[in-house]
Amino acid sequence: AQSVTQPDIHITVSEGASLELRCNYSYGATPYLFWYVQSPGQGLQLLLKYFSGDTLVQGIKGFEAEFKRSQSSFNLRKPSVHWSDAAEYFCAVGIYGGSQGNLIFGKGTKLSVKP
Amino acid sequence: DAGITQSPRHKVTETGTPVTLRCHQTENHRYMYWYRQDPGHGLRLIHYSYGVKDTDKGEVSDGYSVSRSKTEDFLLTLESATSSQTSVYFCAISEGGLAGAYEQYFGPGTRLTVT
Repeated sequence: AQSVTQPDIHITVSEGASLELRCNYSYGATPYLFWYVQSPGQGLQLLLKYFSGDTLVQGIKGFEAEFKRSQSSFNLRKPSVHWSDAAEYFCAVGIYGGSQGNLIFGKGTKLSVKP
Repeated sequence: DAGITQSPRHKVTETGTPVTLRCHQTENHRYMYWYRQDPGHGLRLIHYSYGVKDTDKGEVSDGYSVSRSKTEDFLLTLESATSSQTSVYFCAISEGGLAGAYEQYFGPGTRLTVT
């Protein structure tokens, strides 16, 4: 069965430090890939997406992600974290041919930012 | 932000009572989804709709029904609420199309507590 793994449940970084959140998926073909962010008590906001083409994609709020087919990974990065980035981050995978538009979500990584 | 509202935003109900949650969109998007979010599980799809009166089941559909009589409204009904349905419920929308169906935008959520 298809699955999405976010190995880190909770990460703490210092403000101004770089960030990398990991995401691995299990699927035979290249899926559609997404990162969402959720602030406490809020809905999910789309950060960025990968459908095809350039494997390095830019998103909102200074985030980027790189698709690596050989590693079945889609890791999220930011060069310098701001205190307002503290939130929970979800990786999601869209499997073509499954229920139309069905996204499979990872269980999330909670990011804390130290001043 | 996508024009998605959910009502009510918070609800406490008793076991065995029926509950209906409403999702309303102003984007005229074809696809609408209901997810539930539980600690340690990420988001899981309950039901989705690919057009007026066209719906299908998701991963965790048992105990839930949906209806879509207008493009803008998607209702989720718990016929007889149980404590296991205590959760945060999110509605999402997408335009549809090959990849576009997977690019989903989320509402603010409804926190439901079943006592």
